[in-house]
Amino acid sequence: RKEVEQDPGPFNVPEGATVAFNCTYSNSASQSFFWYRQDCRKEPKLLMSVYSSGNEDGRFTAQLNRASQYISLLIRDSKLSDSATYLCVVMGGSYIPTFGRGTSLIVHP
Amino acid sequence: EAQVTQNPRYLITVTGKKLTVTCSQNMNHEYMSWYRQDPGLGLRQIYYSMNVEVTDKGDVPEGYKVSRKEKRNFPLILESPSPNQTSLYFCASSSRDSISYNEQFFGPGTRLTVL
Repeated sequence: RKEVEQDPGPFNVPEGATVAFNCTYSNSASQSFFWYRQDCRKEPKLLMSVYSSGNEDGRFTAQLNRASQYISLLIRDSKLSDSATYLCVVMGGSYIPTFGRGTSLIVHP
Repeated sequence: EAQVTQNPRYLITVTGKKLTVTCSQNMNHEYMSWYRQDPGLGLRQIYYSMNVEVTDKGDVPEGYKVSRKEKRNFPLILESPSPNQTSLYFCASSSRDSISYNEQFFGPGTRLTVL
């Protein structure tokens, strides 16, 4: 079983829609969680860290559910510019981050 | 400007011809790492370095070497490249102060094709 799993999508949504992605992880000792965004053929960039209490940054909300071992990313009022691949990243006690394979989002007019 | 640079950005080579991909960061970061990204497999870590002269294997180290003689540089060496090393490679760095919570800064990527 892969350590970090994401639905690859693509999620195809109209502008203004709300869309949510989930990411499950298998290592219950995982300590840190992140969402990165990657545009086509570009480098990944940090979108937001995920805190136990949940956190929000503008239209983006990230949540962590330790009991069920998943994190989520909610995007409200989707923009065309949100089209990208969203990578879930989990780190345990080691310094080797584990990346999910990414979820592709396509926002259309 | 704070950045991670990689060279070359694109490389086509032949099996067995040794090559080096350079990585340099100007943020005085202690932690540096190399990843490869393949369709359907996502990003996988090859090697990482916690500081000068300290390196360790990631998930897929076979066929690769690294060195960390200076804090800013972390070259990736393929002694005898093979076609299965055709991939998109990213270098990344971050501060070690609180690595689990700190952002990793990625270089622009190196697209390598081994014929």
